[in-house]
Amino acid sequence: QQQVKQSPQSLIVQKGGISIINCAYENTAFDYFPWYQQFPGKGPALLIAIRPDVSEKKEGRFTISFNKSAKQFSLHIMDSQPGDSATYFCAAKKAAGNKLTFGGGTRVLVKP
Amino acid sequence: KAGVTQTPRYLIKTRGQQVTLSCSPISGHRSVSWYQQTPGQGLQFLFEYFSETQRNKGNFPGRFSGRQFSNSRSEMNVSTLELGDSALYLCASSLDAGHTDTQYFGPGTRLTVL
Repeated sequence: QQQVKQSPQSLIVQKGGISIINCAYENTAFDYFPWYQQFPGKGPALLIAIRPDVSEKKEGRFTISFNKSAKQFSLHIMDSQPGDSATYFCAAKKAAGNKLTFGGGTRVLVKP
Repeated sequence: KAGVTQTPRYLIKTRGQQVTLSCSPISGHRSVSWYQQTPGQGLQFLFEYFSETQRNKGNFPGRFSGRQFSNSRSEMNVSTLELGDSALYLCASSLDAGHTDTQYFGPGTRLTVL
């Protein structure tokens, strides 16, 4: 049972463009939603995170939009740069413990 | 502060063997979680340890086990290796001081089963 669905699987964007990645979850017990960025040969690194009592969170060029009623959330990368080329994972966590349930990942390629 | 370290970084084993992977969390972090990453299944939670106790377990067979020591270092063991166990095994640590604590991942151990 895939509890967090992520789309698209891959994305190509021109430098300066906007990258948009969408995630949907099923379990309403999730109440913390982080996004991770992973470069080849490295472990995932936390990019930005949101709780469901907030509809939007922005940190620099990265913005999370959250729609609790639709059980969907998305990552927007503004002014995409070649250095943003990486795989992005959405995740969800319940209140207890540290178990992260990950989406399938989106490979982003930013062309110069 | 040093990040999460995992040893070894690369490992090649044959079917039927067993393997032990090690994870040293960031100093002061009390929670250690393990994940398996494969191209087909993505990132899947294996288990979490806190204060030497397993606090959470994913849907993996009993061949996968782990433990945590008093200094928070953790090991995971896979017995009777199968080809499908080839994966990147990631360890993550956190302070566990609150629900929204950041989990920091190590670089992983790349296990290849032949």
